[in-house]
Amino acid sequence: GQNIDQPTEMTATEGAIVQINCTYQTSGFNGLFWYQQHAGEAPTFLSYNVLDGLEEKGRFSSFLSRSKGYSYLLLKELQMKDSASYLCAVRRGSTLGRLYFGRGTQLTVWP
Amino acid sequence: EAQVTQNPRYLITVTGKKLTVTCSQNMNHEYMSWYRQDPGLGLRQIYYSMNVEVTDKGDVPEGYKVSRKEKRNFPLILESPSPNQTSLYFCASRGGGQEKLFFGSGTQLSVL
Repeated sequence: GQNIDQPTEMTATEGAIVQINCTYQTSGFNGLFWYQQHAGEAPTFLSYNVLDGLEEKGRFSSFLSRSKGYSYLLLKELQMKDSASYLCAVRRGSTLGRLYFGRGTQLTVWP
Repeated sequence: EAQVTQNPRYLITVTGKKLTVTCSQNMNHEYMSWYRQDPGLGLRQIYYSMNVEVTDKGDVPEGYKVSRKEKRNFPLILESPSPNQTSLYFCASRGGGQEKLFFGSGTQLSVL
């Protein structure tokens, strides 16, 4: 398997900013993905990074440093509906290569 | 509407009774995959398929079979289910040139 580490749980308050980190060790790296998963539901795609730097999409941003094997997902202006599990996933090999998922970070947003 | 359809949504069965979980996608995707999700372990890949008649093992294939006779369908077969296969299962697909996986709504399986 692949070594993908992310914190198990995080908490934050409504309106705040939270950063969820993900570190990985893999050969043949070809992209890092973030998915959001609400309890009992399917994961949904949030972001994709293959080059170093920051990708911004509204309230969500994702950063990648390939040399450090590090990524983070930044959530701004937190809302109660952002309470969910956030999954970091690494792709190896080609664009049709397999995705390897971390164990997920359970984020709880308090009012 | 573009989607991945899994059935059934919930399934309770007994040890040893063969079952099939169906998965179908209407997006003409080449790549399809099955995952299981267990508390504290995250999503683990069972089998995947790059195209029709091409399947390969993921990280936890023991006790499962798959087939890909048509591009749209990728059923998961448990020939003799055991209690350690109690889990939440997801089917997913992806098209060539696309980055994101499309997931089905999941199948909660309980093996007694």
